[in-house]
Amino acid sequence: KNEVEQSPQNLTAQEGEFITINCSYSVGISALHWLQQHPGGGIVSLFMLSSGKKKHGRLIATINIQEKHSSLHITASHPRDSAVYICAVVRFNTGNQFYFGTGTSLTVIP
Amino acid sequence: DAGVTQSPTHLIKTRGQQVTLRCSPKSGHDTVSWYQQALGQGPQFIFQYYEEEERQRGNFPDRFSGHQFPNYSSELNVNALLLGDSALYLCASRGRGGPLSYNEQFFGPGTRLTVL
Repeated sequence: KNEVEQSPQNLTAQEGEFITINCSYSVGISALHWLQQHPGGGIVSLFMLSSGKKKHGRLIATINIQEKHSSLHITASHPRDSAVYICAVVRFNTGNQFYFGTGTSLTVIP
Repeated sequence: DAGVTQSPTHLIKTRGQQVTLRCSPKSGHDTVSWYQQALGQGPQFIFQYYEEEERQRGNFPDRFSGHQFPNYSSELNVNALLLGDSALYLCASRGRGGPLSYNEQFFGPGTRLTVL
């Protein structure tokens, strides 16, 4: 079983919809990252969380350390949001290495 | 600042060959990690270099080796290529302070390796 699980694996939404992507993990972590990967490979870091909630534009990320769960929300989704969203955790005592979920492929239809 | 750069962007090799991929970290970064991302999967950690030494290693065979140079750039070498080595290889760099410093990683665009 993967230490980091994401759901859903694939998501199709109409432009303007509110989107939620979930991440659950089974190990102790020092932080959780949400990453965005566009076709072609480049990965961009969206958020780094160790507690609570962060907001950047239309993106909101939350984490519940006790429940080992995080969510990424996109409000008023747009076709340019289409990408793969990856949850990655930084485990304690591992030299701050990332352990990745398999990603959620989001397609936003105009 | 160009950020993390990788070369080449694409590469095609045949089984049994050897390949070298290159990574230049973001300016001011001293720690480089390499990841393999198979199609449809999340990245898997290969190894990490700091102060020109391999500091941590994931579950990859010895065919995967690396190097870090005094200017902090890094190479990933894969010997005796297998079909299963076809993947996107990502390099990520981290800020000063070494592997245990808690700084955000920045990723390069990746090198797409195809093994025929």
